[in-house]
Amino acid sequence: AQSVTQLGSHVSVSEGALVLLRCNYSSSVPPYLFWYVQYPNQGLQLLLKYTSAATLVKGINGFEAEFKKSETSFHLTKPSAHMSDAAEYFCAVSEGFQKLVFGTGTRLLVSP
Amino acid sequence: GAGVSQSPSNKVTEKGKDVELRCDPISGHTALYWYRQSLGQGLEFLIYFQGNSAPDKSGLPSDRFSAERTGGSVSTLTIQRTQQEDSAVYLCASSLVEGGTDTQYFGPGTRLTVL
Repeated sequence: AQSVTQLGSHVSVSEGALVLLRCNYSSSVPPYLFWYVQYPNQGLQLLLKYTSAATLVKGINGFEAEFKKSETSFHLTKPSAHMSDAAEYFCAVSEGFQKLVFGTGTRLLVSP
Repeated sequence: GAGVSQSPSNKVTEKGKDVELRCDPISGHTALYWYRQSLGQGLEFLIYFQGNSAPDKSGLPSDRFSAERTGGSVSTLTIQRTQQEDSAVYLCASSLVEGGTDTQYFGPGTRLTVL
């Protein structure tokens, strides 16, 4: 079965600092990987997805992620954090071409 | 266009009662998914529909949980004889087609509290 591990349940950054949220996956087949963001009391919104085309994937709101097969990683980055980026972020892998298997989430805190 | 909608947004019920949660997917989306988000378990897959059939029910936690989809559109998740451990946010998602790369669009969820 495929799985996803997100290191760090909470990450704190200052406004303007680099954001790095870590995700490692386990999969016996080439994975499809996703990052979703959840704002308080809202559903999940897709930030970006990796579908075996380019290894560097650009998403919405200035986020990007790089697929590294050798490291089985798909870390999410943003060069400069905004206050509005404060939210919970979920990494997910598509299993069986149907359901998503999610990591436990990382809460991003942005301080002024 | 409208996104995925879910109703009710909040539901408080007493232990032992039955509840029905509704999901309206994006028009034209053939695949529909139910997930559960709870503090102890994170985000868990429950069931998946392709059209009106459910090829994968593997995530339903017990036989108290059931779901149906009619007309290839609206879906209802039913929990019978609710227990306190059923308290969670139930999320519905839909995608245009079945497939690993297709984006799943999520609704705002129904927060279920079992007293």
